[in-house]
Amino acid sequence: QVQLVQSGAEVMKPGASVKVSCKASGYTFTSYYMHWVRQAPGQGLEWMGIINPSGGSTTYAQNFQGRVTMTRDTSTSTVYMELSSLRSEDTAVYYCARSYFDSSGPDYWGQGTLVTVSS
Amino acid sequence: QSALTQPASVSGSPGQSITISCTGTSSDVGNYDLVSWYQQHPGRAPKLLIYEVNKRPSGVSNRFSGSKSGNTASLTLSGLQAEDEADYYCCSYTGSRISFGGGTKLTVL
Repeated sequence: QVQLVQSGAEVMKPGASVKVSCKASGYTFTSYYMHWVRQAPGQGLEWMGIINPSGGSTTYAQNFQGRVTMTRDTSTSTVYMELSSLRSEDTAVYYCARSYFDSSGPDYWGQGTLVTVSS
Repeated sequence: QSALTQPASVSGSPGQSITISCTGTSSDVGNYDLVSWYQQHPGRAPKLLIYEVNKRPSGVSNRFSGSKSGNTASLTLSGLQAEDEADYYCCSYTGSRISFGGGTKLTVL
């Protein structure tokens, strides 16, 4: 069965960077795009960007341009999302989620990773 | 501020039907049949209910249905049940990215 297993919760200082991982299994890793979506406490879903695990190409949402980097490791079927220059407003649950087309909403989602930014 | 507009809340009694709207523009909802709907219970990851406007993934109840007219997509939930109480989000392709609605909280009275 399809599984997206994310890394554990993180507590970060303002100004630091965080790197969240998402390990995929149960399907052909390079055949599906991977989105990153975040959700601040009590708020809605916010799309951050997408990576094509096949070639590594990325598209980032304008709000995160220059601060987010998405990468992948095909040998371990893992995608990564690194967010830099963290501020308190970045406190959120970060989800990875796959889709077959880059224009589709995701079908399967990871369990989420809570990133807390606090001094 | 979400690009797609949803009502903040809707409510209904068990057995009733409700509809949640998702209003975009001619650049997103109105231009692509690529609207998805998600259900999210507290503390859980979103679950796909509808894709490509009106298609249901395997395993999703046929009580959920989707439609679109112009720049507005809609999710209809019939035969409301207590477990349907959750947050619901629409999602649309915008030509270069994905955009989510602000979410709608469904209360089952």
